[in-house]
Amino acid sequence: KAGVTQTPRYLIKTRGQQVTLSCSPISGHRSVSWYQQTPGQGLQFLFEYFSETQRNKGNFPGRFSGRQFSNSRSEMNVSTLELGDSALYLCASSLGVPKNIQYFGAGTRLSVL
Amino acid sequence: DAKTTQPNSMESNEEEPVHLPCNHSTISGTDYIHWYRQLPSQGPEYVIHGLTSNVNNRMASLAIAEDRKSSTLILHRATLRDAAVYYCILISYNTDKLIFGTGTRLQVFP
Repeated sequence: KAGVTQTPRYLIKTRGQQVTLSCSPISGHRSVSWYQQTPGQGLQFLFEYFSETQRNKGNFPGRFSGRQFSNSRSEMNVSTLELGDSALYLCASSLGVPKNIQYFGAGTRLSVL
Repeated sequence: DAKTTQPNSMESNEEEPVHLPCNHSTISGTDYIHWYRQLPSQGPEYVIHGLTSNVNNRMASLAIAEDRKSSTLILHRATLRDAAVYYCILISYNTDKLIFGTGTRLQVFP
């Protein structure tokens, strides 16, 4: 069974641009969550989607948004990029509650110049 | 969100048991205790989880205090591949939201 796939693996953007990251969950998993990891703040929860609906949202500005499609694939978008958005963005999928075991992808490393 | 407290770092020698502690004094009755680990240059990896009773799987054991205010992840025989950052996380049964703390960086020496 294929694991969680995130594309692209690496991305370089400049300030002010926008970016879209993609996540394909494990087949059969309906829940997708996104996390940001930086050396200073560690791993922080961004948002969680289940059956195309956002179920939880972390404490991030509105520039960070996401969506989930009917096939459970998810995208997250960051608009008007800032230098501080440079981070490893991780996606995780699970079967959904109450299972709660999340399987993480390798992440997309975003560098904002 | 319930908070967990872990030591910043721990060391072990290969093939020795490792006990990684976690305090979660504000845990609620519906919170599950999950452990994840993150190896260098990889996404976090699920290790084990439990609610009230001690749990065992092929990777580790989880010992949960009777009052549930603390727990211990036990690696029975540490290997070099176990060197990672270990996160203790509380998750309410009705959400997939993970709140990561700073975790414990485990070093394993040959």
